[in-house]
Amino acid sequence: GEDVEQSLFLSVREGDSSVINCTYTDSSSTYLYWYKQEPGAGLQLLTYIFSNMDMKQDQRLTVLLNKKDKHLSLRIADTQTGDSAIYFCAEWDYKLSFGAGTTVTVRA
Amino acid sequence: GAVVSQHPSRVICKSGTSVKIECRSLDFQATTMFWYRQFPKQSLMLMATSNEGSKATYEQGVEKDKFLINHASLTLSTLTVTSAHPEDSSFYICSAGAPVGGQPQHFGDGTRLSIL
Repeated sequence: GEDVEQSLFLSVREGDSSVINCTYTDSSSTYLYWYKQEPGAGLQLLTYIFSNMDMKQDQRLTVLLNKKDKHLSLRIADTQTGDSAIYFCAEWDYKLSFGAGTTVTVRA
Repeated sequence: GAVVSQHPSRVICKSGTSVKIECRSLDFQATTMFWYRQFPKQSLMLMATSNEGSKATYEQGVEKDKFLINHASLTLSTLTVTSAHPEDSSFYICSAGAPVGGQPQHFGDGTRLSIL
């Protein structure tokens, strides 16, 4: 079965880097995703990585995947107040399984 | 721009009413769409997989007769909450797309359903 875990809260100072961690158990996952959700809104796809990749960088976002340890991380460089939101990691194996979400708070 | 459109964004209605929520894929054809429910400050719970031209596949514990899903075309899936009661109040979100060739799941903006 699928089980995705992530820490619940992260507080970071504006301008610093944020790192959100996620672990999963399904070794047959083909894609792993990061989504952002702001209050009252749907999910915004931030980035995704194919399971045979180790790293993917897209502007301020860097995704690292350690397939051996089933560990996924999202690094946000130069974190801004607009980055305050809930971040969900998710794995795909014919359907998406979500973690509980990490609430990121950016303080001035 | 949005690739998945969900309507309505908010519904407030009386207990016993049936409510229909639409999910449309705008730029692509989606043979499969997914319906989720999200409680406050919680993650998304998959309710069902909507399959174009065939019956939906429901997750364990989800009442098929309460949450009717119709996927009549390659761009439209509907979720009807039948005879809604206050405990059905929630945030419902749909998604479409499948990682074929790298295409990721895109989500609608969600529907806030409040049953009085």
